[in-house]
Amino acid sequence: DAGVTQSPTHLIKTRGQHVTLRCSPISGHKSVSWYQQVLGQGPQFIFQYYEKEERGRGNFPDRFSARQFPNYSSELNVNALLLGDSALYLCASSSSLGFGYTFGSGTRLTVV
Amino acid sequence: KNEVEQSPQNLTAQEGEFITINCSYSVGISALHWLQQHPGGGIVSLFMLSSGKKKHGRLIATINIQEKHSSLHITASHPRDSAVYICAVRWAGGGTSYGKLTFGQGTILTVHP
Repeated sequence: DAGVTQSPTHLIKTRGQHVTLRCSPISGHKSVSWYQQVLGQGPQFIFQYYEKEERGRGNFPDRFSARQFPNYSSELNVNALLLGDSALYLCASSSSLGFGYTFGSGTRLTVV
Repeated sequence: KNEVEQSPQNLTAQEGEFITINCSYSVGISALHWLQQHPGGGIVSLFMLSSGKKKHGRLIATINIQEKHSSLHITASHPRDSAVYICAVRWAGGGTSYGKLTFGQGTILTVHP
């Protein structure tokens, strides 16, 4: 049974560009959460989606947006990239809103 | 402010030693997770606790709800246990924080042969 799949695994972008990160949850999981982990720190909550609706939003600027598709996969979009957006972006899926999280391996974004 | 604090931040041990990592949080929670992160980033969920104690192999996790404190113990540590161990909590209550995990800063564990 496949785990949480994130793509791409690594990405280099230039300041001002836009990026889209993708996450496929475990089959049967309806909730997807996104986290940003800056080097040396714990992950910070960005968004949670459940049944295609946004159910939680962290303290991130409007440049960050996300959506969940009918098959429960999700995209995280970041516009007007800044150097400070360089981080590991983690996706976690769960069958319900708050229990039994499974994490993906993350997408490492470098903004130059 | 809802906070999660871990200690120690760095831990070095010799193979075979008993290891304890601590996690304290500020307000009521509905669940606490212990996670393991290896270099390269992938996170593995070790335990989810809402009360008491859980054991899996050489790993033991305990939680004291009244004291708002949890510990992760590793018995007979091994170099392959070297990783970052992270405590994360799901706060009690709803609202926009519902379902959100708040993470501690992590404990970097290095076990030498």
